[in-house]
Amino acid sequence: NAGVMQNPRHLVRRRGQEARLRCSPMKGHSHVYWYRQLPEEGLKFMVYLQKENIIDESGMPKERFSAEFPKEGPSILRIQQVVRGDSAAYFCASSPRLSTDTQYFGPGTRLTVL
Amino acid sequence: AQTVTQSQPEMSVQEAETVTLSCTYDTSESDYYLFWYKQPPSRQMILVIRQEAYKQQNATENRFSVNFQKAAKSFSLKISDSQLGDAAMYFCASANAGGTSYGKLTFGQGTILTVHP
Repeated sequence: NAGVMQNPRHLVRRRGQEARLRCSPMKGHSHVYWYRQLPEEGLKFMVYLQKENIIDESGMPKERFSAEFPKEGPSILRIQQVVRGDSAAYFCASSPRLSTDTQYFGPGTRLTVL
Repeated sequence: AQTVTQSQPEMSVQEAETVTLSCTYDTSESDYYLFWYKQPPSRQMILVIRQEAYKQQNATENRFSVNFQKAAKSFSLKISDSQLGDAAMYFCASANAGGTSYGKLTFGQGTILTVHP
């Protein structure tokens, strides 16, 4: 059973460009969480999705950030008009059922904004 | 809201010795879960151990065990017979089992563990 896949592993964007981060959960997992890790900090929750539904986006900045988890295909975290402060590692985690299940993390995408 | 605090930014241990990493948390929920995750230089987040708050028995996973003190809201990680491969950043985390914030993990600031040969 393959683990959580994230791509790209490294992404470089110039200010004002768009960044698209992809996450494929483990097989059989229908719950996806996105977290952001700024340099020298712990991970911070951004958004929790189930297939075709956003369940909790309380950690997501109100502007420029959006997330989706379509019926088919990976979950996408999209950052429009990136700024230098968006530079961070973005981690995706998946779990098979509800909140009581352990979340398994992908390797992360390191976003660098020039 | 949940908070998780790790008061030790850095810890070090000799190979084969035992080390304890501290973690305290705060939550208003009665049902929750606690975790320790390890982040080696590869930055991959690896689950080390998990504890259900309703269980009084401390969780153990081979050389890793926890000391869960529910009344004190303390959740420390003990690593026995430390190995060089244990060197990493360790994060304590909590998650509510219900309520509006169910599922999402709240992380501490992390503790960097160095293992000396």
